[in-house]
Amino acid sequence: DTGVSQNPRHKITKRGQNVTFRCDPISEHNRLYWYRQTLGQGPEFLTYFQNEAQLEKSRLLSDRFSAERPKGSFSTLEIQRTEQGDSAMYLCAGDSEGEKLFFGSGTQLSVL
Amino acid sequence: GENVGLHLPTLSVQEGDNSIINCAYSNSASDYFIWYKQESGKGPQFIIDIRSNMDKRQGQRVTVLLNKTVKHLSLQIAATQPGDSAVYFCAEKMAGRRALTFGSGTRLQVQP
Repeated sequence: DTGVSQNPRHKITKRGQNVTFRCDPISEHNRLYWYRQTLGQGPEFLTYFQNEAQLEKSRLLSDRFSAERPKGSFSTLEIQRTEQGDSAMYLCAGDSEGEKLFFGSGTQLSVL
Repeated sequence: GENVGLHLPTLSVQEGDNSIINCAYSNSASDYFIWYKQESGKGPQFIIDIRSNMDKRQGQRVTVLLNKTVKHLSLQIAATQPGDSAVYFCAEKMAGRRALTFGSGTRLQVQP
């Protein structure tokens, strides 16, 4: 168990709806990352935070995606006006001083 | 697993044999490499990592080899056990960046 908790585990939504996922890392994780994983592929980087500052965003993170980490602890990832192509596993990971990431179990999003 | 690929390259080994999983990485500027194991319904789990100034690193039952000349990374698992059955991903990180870039994964099946 990495200590990184993600909720919900599964989310089914209709196209056009907004969804929000939450990630709770352990307190030592001053960096927090969001990745997306589709069937048959490795995880793809979306964005990361150093404490509350969002320092890097991938070009995969379209205008419909927004992530926050307001107090440098938990983080949320919101997808507005969901599309079927957004269906994927959304993974959160944390690290402290090193470079190895500790992943949560992910939120599986299905857009109908 | 539901998000871990139905058409991945598969390595099938007998229990007790050694396994070698290979990975070709893309960027000669990468300075850090890492292997993850992903089981059904779970996030990636750290196995072992290596920096670009090393050629080999050993852990418990696992060894990572790095050949920078041909941009090749391998994971060796000694005395493979049924619990090793999973999808294995290599990932690389460019110097000065935080994001990991993952490969497409290899499914390891251990026959009892």
